[in-house]
Amino acid sequence: QKEVEQDPGPLSVPEGAIVSLNCTYSNSAFQYFMWYRQYSRKGPELLMYTYSSGNKEDGRFTAQVDKSSKYISLFIRDSQPSDSATYLCAMSRGSTLGRLYFGRGTQLTVWP
Amino acid sequence: EPEVTQTPSHQVTQMGQEVILRCVPISNHLYFYWYRQILGQKVEFLVSFYNNEISEKSEIFDDQFSVERPDGSNFTLKIRSTKLEDSAMYFCASKGGPTGSYEQYFGPGTRLTVT
Repeated sequence: QKEVEQDPGPLSVPEGAIVSLNCTYSNSAFQYFMWYRQYSRKGPELLMYTYSSGNKEDGRFTAQVDKSSKYISLFIRDSQPSDSATYLCAMSRGSTLGRLYFGRGTQLTVWP
Repeated sequence: EPEVTQTPSHQVTQMGQEVILRCVPISNHLYFYWYRQILGQKVEFLVSFYNNEISEKSEIFDDQFSVERPDGSNFTLKIRSTKLEDSAMYFCASKGGPTGSYEQYFGPGTRLTVT
């Protein structure tokens, strides 16, 4: 299944850099878009959650959704070594039950 | 802060055996899920559970799998007759009420190794 595509990286940036992570999707029924952070052998941790098109900002993180292009992004400003993790995009059709469809994850390393 | 917990953290079993993975969702959440992640692959949906019954299941969730909420706090995944390809991380997730919140919170996972 290729409903959600995400470049696995790895992505390596210096501390303080702006990081851009992206996913594309094919199912126009997706309405809810999430970004999770996952450390090695741990569970996904919810970072950001957006509905439909637009931007949402939370501290150093900005999530962007462009439904016309079926493209979502996560920007991390002033990246820190503690941001080093795998970032997973996930989306759902918006039914109450909310089955999530995940991308493969992008492995990010921020070096000091 | 409330969190989803899972036990055991690591389970090793022999091919053909049955395993039960346990989860305690966030209390007052109503929707429960199991996902799995084979090493190096995507997190994949297995099943969702609401109001004491399965709401949706994926093509992966065949007769080998079953779920149960035996009491008010636990949520279990049973895998019968395990196969080598069942080796994966299994994540439990829970979600709050029916309106507003679509955010699923994940547990730390159980690493299942089938030998």
